[in-house]
Amino acid sequence: EVQLVESGGGLVQPGGSLRLSCAASGLIFSSYAMTWVRQAPGKGLEWVSSIIGSGSDTYYAESVKGRFTISRDNSNSTLYLLMNSLRVDDTAIYYCAKFTLGLRGHIDPWGQGTLVTVSS
Amino acid sequence: DIQMTQSPSSLSASVGDRVTITCRASQTINMYLNWYQQKPGKAPRLLISAASTLQSGVPSRFSGSRSGTDYTLTISSLQPDDFATYFCQQSYSILPLTFGGGTKVEL
Repeated sequence: EVQLVESGGGLVQPGGSLRLSCAASGLIFSSYAMTWVRQAPGKGLEWVSSIIGSGSDTYYAESVKGRFTISRDNSNSTLYLLMNSLRVDDTAIYYCAKFTLGLRGHIDPWGQGTLVTVSS
Repeated sequence: DIQMTQSPSSLSASVGDRVTITCRASQTINMYLNWYQQKPGKAPRLLISAASTLQSGVPSRFSGSRSGTDYTLTISSLQPDDFATYFCQQSYSILPLTFGGGTKVEL
């Protein structure tokens, strides 16, 4: 069974930085593209960033481009999201998730999420 | 960007009701449409991929269909476990991936 466990969320001041991690198990991690999706409190789902299995290609939403960096360590089956210049509107639960069939596939499964709160 | 317009944003229904939720894509997405269920405090769960492929373990009362750029999730007979929020997502364009706004199914 594939399991994805996020960590690294917390309270940070505007302009600050945070690095999220997602530990994966039950899969050949390097074979799958991965993604981060966020959900602001009481709101819908917003795609944040994706990365292919090798890590060589990355994709970002316009709202985070230039501030967030997605990366992966295939030797340790871990996905990362480095978030810089955080803004109040970045406050959300951040979910790590796996693509099933490449970047155009469906997203399954999802981790339990980690809450990032940006506030002074 | 491909916009996904999901309707209704919420609905009230009773156990046993037939429920229909629709997502309209702003352009063709060629069946690259997935449906997710989310319960309060939980991560989304994939129900249907490629517009109509039911995922393993998902009850057969759930089904998906397409008509042009309109995609529909149908629950044939609503059960107590089905009260949740449902999201559609297009994966035709990966930049960006986009979700519908969600439909909250309430008692």
